[in-house]
Amino acid sequence: GNSVTQMEGPVTLSEEAFLTINCTYTATGYPSLFWYVQYPGEGLQLLLKATKADDKGSNKGFEATYRKETTSFHLEKGSVQVSDSAVYFCALNTGGGNKLTFGTGTQLKVEL
Amino acid sequence: SQTIHQWPATLVQPVGSPLSLECTVEGTSNPNLYWYRQAAGRGLQLLFYSVGIGQISSEVPQNLSASRPQDRQFILSSKKLLLSDSGFYLCAWSDETGGYNGELFFGEGSRLTVL
Repeated sequence: GNSVTQMEGPVTLSEEAFLTINCTYTATGYPSLFWYVQYPGEGLQLLLKATKADDKGSNKGFEATYRKETTSFHLEKGSVQVSDSAVYFCALNTGGGNKLTFGTGTQLKVEL
Repeated sequence: SQTIHQWPATLVQPVGSPLSLECTVEGTSNPNLYWYRQAAGRGLQLLFYSVGIGQISSEVPQNLSASRPQDRQFILSSKKLLLSDSGFYLCAWSDETGGYNGELFFGEGSRLTVL
């Protein structure tokens, strides 16, 4: 079956630090990969996505590259801000209906 | 533009009481609709999804049920709540074309505490 594994949090960083949140997956077929973000007290929203191998998704300074050889989709940002504090979810989709499989989420805390 | 709303935002219920969470979508037709649960310390679990009125698929066996009485309305219910039903419930919609698009639009969430 499909599964997504994320690094456990919380991840605590100082403002302007470099961020990496690891995500690896197991899937049948050729999945599309996503990062969603959940700010405190809110629902999830799509941050970025990649639909085929070697694609790079990017948004708001965040990037992730679809690595088929390592079945990974790690999230990175060069300089985090306090406003980036949130829970980040990696997810995949292998078929129709948009029934995404989510990871357990990684909480990011950015301090001044 | 499309919007999604769910309510109530917060609910505290005793064990054995019934539950009804409602979700409505505006600005789109024939959306796919989803109920997810986010339990404390755990990830998102897909509970139900629907591709049309009266069409409900359950992803996991549980104490909950879902209904879609209208195209843009999705209801999550229980006849008797259990302690294990506590969690943060999220309604979401996506374009009917499905496929590999993967973009779900989530509501604000409903936090349920069962005591």
